Amino acid sequence: AQRVTQPEKLLSVFKGAPVELKCNYSYSGSPELFWYVQYSRQRLQLLLRHISRESIKGFTADLNKGETSFHLKKPFAQEEDSAMYYCATHRYTGANSKLTFGKGITLSVRP
Amino acid sequence: DAGVTQSPTHLIKTRGQHVTLRCSPISGHKSVSWYQQVLGQGPQFIFQYYEKEERGRGNFPDRFSARQFPNYSSELNVNALLLGDSALYLCASTPGPFYNSPLHFGNGTRLTVT
Repeated sequence: AQRVTQPEKLLSVFKGAPVELKCNYSYSGSPELFWYVQYSRQRLQLLLRHISRESIKGFTADLNKGETSFHLKKPFAQEEDSAMYYCATHRYTGANSKLTFGKGITLSVRP
Repeated sequence: DAGVTQSPTHLIKTRGQHVTLRCSPISGHKSVSWYQQVLGQGPQFIFQYYEKEERGRGNFPDRFSARQFPNYSSELNVNALLLGDSALYLCASTPGPFYNSPLHFGNGTRLTVT
């Protein structure tokens, strides 16, 4: 069964500090991995996905198959980055498609 | 640009009752997924429907069922409600059956079972 682990519930940093939100997965096969974000009073939305290899709002995430990790990083945190972040993995087998989310982590960026 | 809409926004039911939650996807999206989010947890997958057919099912009891209509809107039904069914129920839509395109989430329906 696929599983996503976000080991920390809360990360609090000062503005300008580096950020790393951890995500580990267990999956047999080639995973598709995503980070979703929920800002205060907004809907849950996609931040980035590993297949795109893109940087969104200064965030990047690299898939490390050896460590089965997909950590989200940003070199200099901004106050507007404060939000709830969820790591997720997609599994598709035949006609069955399933997206599994981790428990999420709250990022708090202090001025 | 109307996003995913869900109704009602809040609902209070008592144990043993039945509930129906509704979802309208973004125009042009043919896939709808349902998630349950309990306080302090991430969204947990319940169902995915594409072109009115079930394409995925999570680990939920048979009390949970869903369907998708010809206009791609969807209903989630929960029978014999338990206190543990209290949660935020999220609906999300995508153009096709796969998650290589972003999930667009609604604001959710907050269900409280007393």
